[in-house]
Amino acid sequence: DGGITQSPKYLFRKEGQNVTLSCEQNLNHDAMYWYRQDPGQGLRLIYYSQIVNDFQKGDIAEGYSVSREKKESFPLTVTSAQKNPTAFYLCASSISRTSGYNEQFFGPGTRLTVL
Amino acid sequence: RKEVEQDPGPFNVPEGATVAFNCTYSNSASQSFFWYRQDCRKEPKLLMSVYSSGNEDGRFTAQLNRASQYISLLIRDSKLSDSATYLCVVNMGVGSGTYKYIFGTGTRLKVLA
Repeated sequence: DGGITQSPKYLFRKEGQNVTLSCEQNLNHDAMYWYRQDPGQGLRLIYYSQIVNDFQKGDIAEGYSVSREKKESFPLTVTSAQKNPTAFYLCASSISRTSGYNEQFFGPGTRLTVL
Repeated sequence: RKEVEQDPGPFNVPEGATVAFNCTYSNSASQSFFWYRQDCRKEPKLLMSVYSSGNEDGRFTAQLNRASQYISLLIRDSKLSDSATYLCVVNMGVGSGTYKYIFGTGTRLKVLA
């Protein structure tokens, strides 16, 4: 089955720790995205990548970092610099970011809680 | 003004009813539009894509009005299983041949037995 997987499903972090969220896709999509969702708010873009070894900051990149060493993988690191990291993190992919007609598909999400 | 606006609801409707949601967008250059369904504590799942005037899939119909800059989602013969939050997403150009997805905050639907 083609799709997007994220792990872990739930993650608990102590203040001051860095944590890495995994995202893998086997859809052969070029573009991948990380979003954050907080209660009562729309999805907000953290980082995106259009191609391997390239990524760009989204609207709320401070306190986060990413890498894109393989087409299939786009891990997100939540660093200790992120002031309010407790949220639902969603990874998504689309065929590309250079067309206005591509749908995005989402992974099941990781719920991060800072203790 | 938000780039994509939705009435948060909740819309409480009885089973079998017809319900419609609207979503307004501010950027007239927006290219395509999507409706996603999101269940509580789950990921958004694509419900419909709207590229021209509209789209229909079974009980679901989406309409696009570019002149007034809104899209609508109509659900006929509502089922209990339709209870969810419906997200409106707009894909718009941001220059250099790239596009960005802008999400509304969602409209919550509760179908009552």
